[in-house]
Amino acid sequence: QVQLVESGGGVVQPGRSLRLSCAASGFTFSSHGMHWVRQAPGKGLEWVALIWYDGNKEYYADSVKGRFTISRDNSENTLYLQINSLRAEDTAFYYCARDSGITGTTGEFDYWGQGTLVTVSS
Amino acid sequence: DVQMTQSPSTLSASVGDRVTITCRASQSISFWLAWYQQKPGKAPKLLIYKASRLQSDVPPRFSGSGSGTEFTLTISSLQPEDFATYYCQQYNSYWYTFGQGTKLQIK
Repeated sequence: QVQLVESGGGVVQPGRSLRLSCAASGFTFSSHGMHWVRQAPGKGLEWVALIWYDGNKEYYADSVKGRFTISRDNSENTLYLQINSLRAEDTAFYYCARDSGITGTTGEFDYWGQGTLVTVSS
Repeated sequence: DVQMTQSPSTLSASVGDRVTITCRASQSISFWLAWYQQKPGKAPKLLIYKASRLQSDVPPRFSGSGSGTEFTLTISSLQPEDFATYYCQQYNSYWYTFGQGTKLQIK
């Protein structure tokens, strides 16, 4: 069955960096675009970034562009999110989600991980 | 960016009720709309895609309709496990946006 398991969250001081990981299993990882979506505690969902199935294109929300970098290692079935210059407003649960398209992107998030919490605090 | 507005923000209903949640887009998104259900402490779950197509394993009491700028999610007969928060999401362009959510609570 499809599984997505995030890791790498924690408490981080403002201005520091963090790298989140998402280990994928149960499907052909290299055939699907992947997304990061975040949710501040008690708030709604915010799409963060998308990377194509082959890693050739990336898209970012304006709120994170220039500070966040999405990447993937298809040989390791792992998705990453590098977060630099962390701010208090980056405090959120970060979910990785699979795009339902195969070798193409639909924008539909058909499987989600359980999330990892990033808390930015001094 | 396309803004998505859901109404109501909170909805109180009873088991067996028929409920409808509305989602409006700030510009036309054709039928590029999805609905998700999220329970406390859990990840969202895809219910509906392309405005009206039911995701596999989602009970048929859930249905979606609409196109352009106005969309609805209907639950025909509420079950206890349906009390959750529901989000719409547009994917007309790569800069995906969600509605603010509708919390469906027990009356």
